[in-house]
Amino acid sequence: DAGVIQSPRHEVTEMGQEVTLRCKPISGHNSLFWYRQTMMRGLELLIYFNNNVPIDDSGMPEDRFSAKMPNASFSTLKIQPSEPRDSAVYFCASSYPGGLTGELFFGEGSRLTVL
Amino acid sequence: ILNVEQSPQSLHVQEGDSTNFTCSFPSSNFYALHWYRWETAKSPEALFVMTLNGDEKKKGRISATLNTKEGYSYLYIKGSQPEDSATYLCAFMKPNSGYALNFGKGTSLLVTP
Repeated sequence: DAGVIQSPRHEVTEMGQEVTLRCKPISGHNSLFWYRQTMMRGLELLIYFNNNVPIDDSGMPEDRFSAKMPNASFSTLKIQPSEPRDSAVYFCASSYPGGLTGELFFGEGSRLTVL
Repeated sequence: ILNVEQSPQSLHVQEGDSTNFTCSFPSSNFYALHWYRWETAKSPEALFVMTLNGDEKKKGRISATLNTKEGYSYLYIKGSQPEDSATYLCAFMKPNSGYALNFGKGTSLLVTP
């Protein structure tokens, strides 16, 4: 399996622009998570989905952030409008709760810089 | 403790030294504790998942213990090597959370030859 695939790997944009980050989970995994990594806060959980349904989005910073999972193999995290404080590395991870461990498998992250 | 706390924040040891670091978590409503290893420029990878009080897990020179009653886990590295240099993350899984993990900020380990 190719693992969790995220795109783009790097994004540089200007304040006010819309940013869309994409994630393809590992085939057969039915839980998907979006995390944000910053120096100050470490890895923060933004939102997670079980069977394509959002379960908890309490970690989403504000209304400028939205996430969708239209099918089992694709999810997006959108920021509109983007602000400099959104600059971070955004990780997508998937897991299979029915497995032995429930461990997360992470993508390589999308590094976002908002100027 | 309301969140996951890790100590020390960073650690610098010489090759061959053994080392350990701590993860503290809420002791009530425990479900599972995860340890991840995160190398620079890569993504975190799972080391251990621990669910039972008294659990001990081992993978090569790395081992971990779990005390759910007092809310802590230790990660040990025996005979550290430069390739062990990474950030070690601990994550707490609350029950009925849909397997969502709350991560600590990690312990950054540097092993020099």
